[in-house]
Amino acid sequence: QAQLQESGPGLVKPSETLSLTCSVSDGSITNYYWNWIRQPAGKGLEWIGRIYAPGNINYNPSLESRVTMSMDTSKNQFSLKMTSVTAADTAVYYCARSPRKVSTTYYYFMDVWGTGTTVTVSS
Amino acid sequence: QSALTQPRSVSGSPGQSVTISCTGTSSDIGTFNYVSWYQQHPGKAPKLMIYDVTKRPSGVPDRFSGSKSGNTASLTISGLQAEDESHYYCCSYAGSYTFYVFGTGTEVTVL
Repeated sequence: QAQLQESGPGLVKPSETLSLTCSVSDGSITNYYWNWIRQPAGKGLEWIGRIYAPGNINYNPSLESRVTMSMDTSKNQFSLKMTSVTAADTAVYYCARSPRKVSTTYYYFMDVWGTGTTVTVSS
Repeated sequence: QSALTQPRSVSGSPGQSVTISCTGTSSDIGTFNYVSWYQQHPGKAPKLMIYDVTKRPSGVPDRFSGSKSGNTASLTISGLQAEDESHYYCCSYAGSYTFYVFGTGTEVTVL
């Protein structure tokens, strides 16, 4: 089974851009959908967006104006950029996998998750 | 799109059953059979427990079951065990614009 690992700076200054990468261990990046989810300390989960090859993207409408996702299939990685961050963006950020549509069967759940990376927005 | 509503906490003794409700709207749970449930231990990543309302991934004990009626989904843990003490989140697909909406989360305590 694939393992996912988030990486990126743990500290970002207010108004700057948060950048995270998720590495997929087993080379399956073209076979699944890939999500970003975040969780502020002591709070619930919030879906940020998903990307799938060859570059189709869906974003949470509440974050869409500040978020960009991309993927590099040659490196088996996908990435998240969030601009103009504030303290409200401080959270644990998870990447997670969703199964890809098969014929007319759709799958809307996340079956493999990374361990999460903590991002703090502070000057 | 508001978060799905879950009780803040539920509790039960070992061996008992507990049920966690997840209330949404006709735009999410009421329309789509794409409700999933996640277990999250402190400091850990969420783990998929139920998908498509009632289906269990391989390896999830059969004491975990899911159901749905109208705009409300439910997760039942039968034969509660100490290791089931955790936070649980529901999630629903909500259409191609909103996409996913998570629940507020429920802490399950084993007495």
